[in-house]
Amino acid sequence: AQKVTQAQTEISVVEKEDVTLDCVYETRDTTYYLFWYKQPPSGELVFLIRRNSFDEQNEISGRYSWNFQKSTSSFNFTITASQVVDSAVYFCALKSTGFQKLVFGTGTRLLVSP
Amino acid sequence: EAGVAQSPRYKIIEKRQSVAFWCNPISGHATLYWYQQILGQGPKLLIQFQNNGVVDDSQLPKDRFSAERLKGVDSTLKIQPAKLEDSAVYLCASSLGVGPTDTQYFGPGTRLTVL
Repeated sequence: AQKVTQAQTEISVVEKEDVTLDCVYETRDTTYYLFWYKQPPSGELVFLIRRNSFDEQNEISGRYSWNFQKSTSSFNFTITASQVVDSAVYFCALKSTGFQKLVFGTGTRLLVSP
Repeated sequence: EAGVAQSPRYKIIEKRQSVAFWCNPISGHATLYWYQQILGQGPKLLIQFQNNGVVDDSQLPKDRFSAERLKGVDSTLKIQPAKLEDSAVYLCASSLGVGPTDTQYFGPGTRLTVL
């Protein structure tokens, strides 16, 4: 079965703090893809990153970085020096070659206060 | 490049009424998806179209929900009659193809409240 778990329901930080959002996934397929989306208060899901199961290199994009570890089935997302504009709900999602629906976690609400 | 367009953004109806949502995908995207997102949950796929054919509608409550994608571009999702538990955000997404590498891009959603 495909499953994505985001155990953190809500995280509150003060601006400029670093914050890590956890994502743990389950799949029996060896080829799969992991995604992170941001959902600001406007409601639109904004694509942030896609990572395939064969590429465990960490990725950095500006203040965002992602840590993919197959050994622990985790794909964590870190925001460095958080800003108020980072306040949103963040979703981790999984899609595999054997189960081609995009399966979402329940999301983590991040509140960044000034 | 224009993103996925949806309308209306908000809709309030009484239970047992009907409602329809419209979606215009990103130009050139063959695949279109409708998701239901209940408050506090992740989006759940209702139906997926490839061009104007249905690929997956296994989680669509077909006794009250229907969707179509005439001419393989725009799509409408209808609920008739609505129930209280249909209150949710309905998200439309599109992608170039159906493969696992195809990234889905989402519209702003329609927030439905059923009273």
